[in-house]
Amino acid sequence: QKEVEQNSGPLSVPEGAIASLNCTYSDRGSQSFFWYRQYSGKSPELIMFIYSNGDKEDGRFTAQLNKASQYVSLLIRDSQPSDSATYLCAVISNAGNMLTFGGGTRLMVKP
Amino acid sequence: EPEVTQTPSHQVTQMGQEVILRCVPISNHLYFYWYRQILGQKVEFLVSFYNNEISEKSEIFDDQFSVERPDGSNFTLKIRSTKLEDSAMYFCASSPGGADQPQHFGDGTRLSIL
Repeated sequence: QKEVEQNSGPLSVPEGAIASLNCTYSDRGSQSFFWYRQYSGKSPELIMFIYSNGDKEDGRFTAQLNKASQYVSLLIRDSQPSDSATYLCAVISNAGNMLTFGGGTRLMVKP
Repeated sequence: EPEVTQTPSHQVTQMGQEVILRCVPISNHLYFYWYRQILGQKVEFLVSFYNNEISEKSEIFDDQFSVERPDGSNFTLKIRSTKLEDSAMYFCASSPGGADQPQHFGDGTRLSIL
């Protein structure tokens, strides 16, 4: 059973702070890792993807991957109230191309 | 920016009826997917489709479900004999390639079974 685990939150941070969102996965064969943002009642929106160990930066977002620890994280710098949403971690194993999603972490950025 | 489009945005159907959910994937994408999200739960994979055939399906995707690409642009999910527990958001997604390519989601169809 392939599992992707996230703390459901809510994670509350003040505006301008760094938000750190974490995700662990059970399948060592996972090869591709994605972060999606989902506003209430809306569809998942792709934020970042990462395939190799280390950091990947895109604007205010940094994805971090540690395959040995089976751990993915997303850092959001200079958090804004508009970043308030549920952040979904999703992985694809080497056995196919289906996304396995975590339950999401709800982020609240307070002005 | 190209988008995945889904119709209808909301579908209300009586239990036992058949429903067809429609999707237009991004035009140069080769892989198509259906996911669902029951209210308050995780997004769950249903099926993937490539080269006019199902490439992967989950345990959820039983004989009640079918997918089709009837022409060069549409991708449909048919649910036969709907049940109350089929009520969910259904998302279509597409990607340009396989497992190393990001999947882009449509806005979803909210399916309500009465």
